[in-house]
Amino acid sequence: NAGVTQTPKFQVLKTGQSMTLQCAQDMNHEYMSWYRQDPGMGLRLIHYSVGAGITDQGEVPNGYNVSRSTTEDFPLRLLSAAPSQTSVYFCASSWSPSSVLRGTGELFFGEGSRLTVL
Amino acid sequence: KNEVEQSPQNLTAQEGEFITINCSYSVGISALHWLQQHPGGGIVSLFMLSSGKKKHGRLIATINIQEKHSSLHITASHPRDSAVYICAVPDSNYQLIWGAGTKLIIKP
Repeated sequence: NAGVTQTPKFQVLKTGQSMTLQCAQDMNHEYMSWYRQDPGMGLRLIHYSVGAGITDQGEVPNGYNVSRSTTEDFPLRLLSAAPSQTSVYFCASSWSPSSVLRGTGELFFGEGSRLTVL
Repeated sequence: KNEVEQSPQNLTAQEGEFITINCSYSVGISALHWLQQHPGGGIVSLFMLSSGKKKHGRLIATINIQEKHSSLHITASHPRDSAVYICAVPDSNYQLIWGAGTKLIIKP
């Protein structure tokens, strides 16, 4: 059981380049989400999904796109990278959004992707 | 004012000491998550609480929903407990509001 797999672990981009961070889970979780973590700040939600075909914006969605064509995959796309997007990115999943709400659903995190935009 | 506040921000203690980390929140409905972020960066879920108290090994988490406050305790602390401990509270939109974390260092 692989859990949540994130790739790549490290990436350096130049301003204006595009890239996709991949996230896959093999636990049949409905709920998937992307966070960014910056020094001295709590995790901030970028986008989330409550099921295949359904996505919504989080706290800091600008500059990022997502899609959820399958239950397993939830890629995060940066269309035109900016230095402000230098951060560590985490993908997380849980059984269902209501389980997260009630505190009955454990959150599973990927190992993180460290992105630097020059 | 942050919606989820943790204290202290940093804590250094000697091996064996009893550790308490606090989390107070002004949002959220009925549950709270405690997570641990290892020095290598990985994040793991420790507890999910909607009431009372939970215990797992040397870790104990308590919550008072009325006072919107939770504590995470570590008994007989060990250097391997050194990590960042984070609390998070779900809001009505299925989004988690995160604390900034408490960095714990346990010295041998």
